[in-house]
Amino acid sequence: DVKVTQSSRYLVKRTGEKVFLECVQDMDHENMFWYRQDPGLGLRLIYFSYDVKMKEKGDIPEGYSVSREKKERFSLILESASTNQTSMYLCASSRQLAGAPRVFGPGTRLTVL
Amino acid sequence: SQELEQSPQSLIVQEGKNLTINCTSSKTLYGLYWYKQKYGEGLIFLMMLQKGGEEKSHEKITAKLDEKKQQSSLHITASQPSHAGIYLCGAAPGGTSYGKLTFGQGTILTVHP
Repeated sequence: DVKVTQSSRYLVKRTGEKVFLECVQDMDHENMFWYRQDPGLGLRLIYFSYDVKMKEKGDIPEGYSVSREKKERFSLILESASTNQTSMYLCASSRQLAGAPRVFGPGTRLTVL
Repeated sequence: SQELEQSPQSLIVQEGKNLTINCTSSKTLYGLYWYKQKYGEGLIFLMMLQKGGEEKSHEKITAKLDEKKQQSSLHITASQPSHAGIYLCGAAPGGTSYGKLTFGQGTILTVHP
């Protein structure tokens, strides 16, 4: 079964901590995405990457950075976590020509205290 | 930016009933994507529509993009409890990367046995 895996389903961190969310896909997809999902605000794109070491800002990149050193892995980094970053984080991937995300991970529910 | 409005926001139906979910944009849709999400999990890609008047089906789910490419509908025939979940439409703003999808708020579907 092809899939996208995320390092944690649930994560609790304290304000000011540096947080790493890891995402791995096994489909050799070129494109990878990080979204956050909040009630009333829907799904919003944070960053996406269309190749190794390439990244592009989404709609809400402030407070986040990303890293893609290998094709299969896309990491989301919260440099200094804040309470307003409490959210559900979803990683996704797709083939280059497909463009939009096709396969999503199960999500990481992050709580920042 | 492109905004997508989904209707209804929630829907409760009896098993076996047909239902329709709509996704409307104020701008032309260049690529319209439908996803399903089970509560607390990642999204599952259902279908992509690109051409005006295009219609696609997968099992008992049919999606259509109108001729003007500003509205899409998702129709479920003879609904089953397995159809329950959140349905989201996503669209790519014209002239930008398909990676940068804008999502609707989602429609919560409940199917009573």
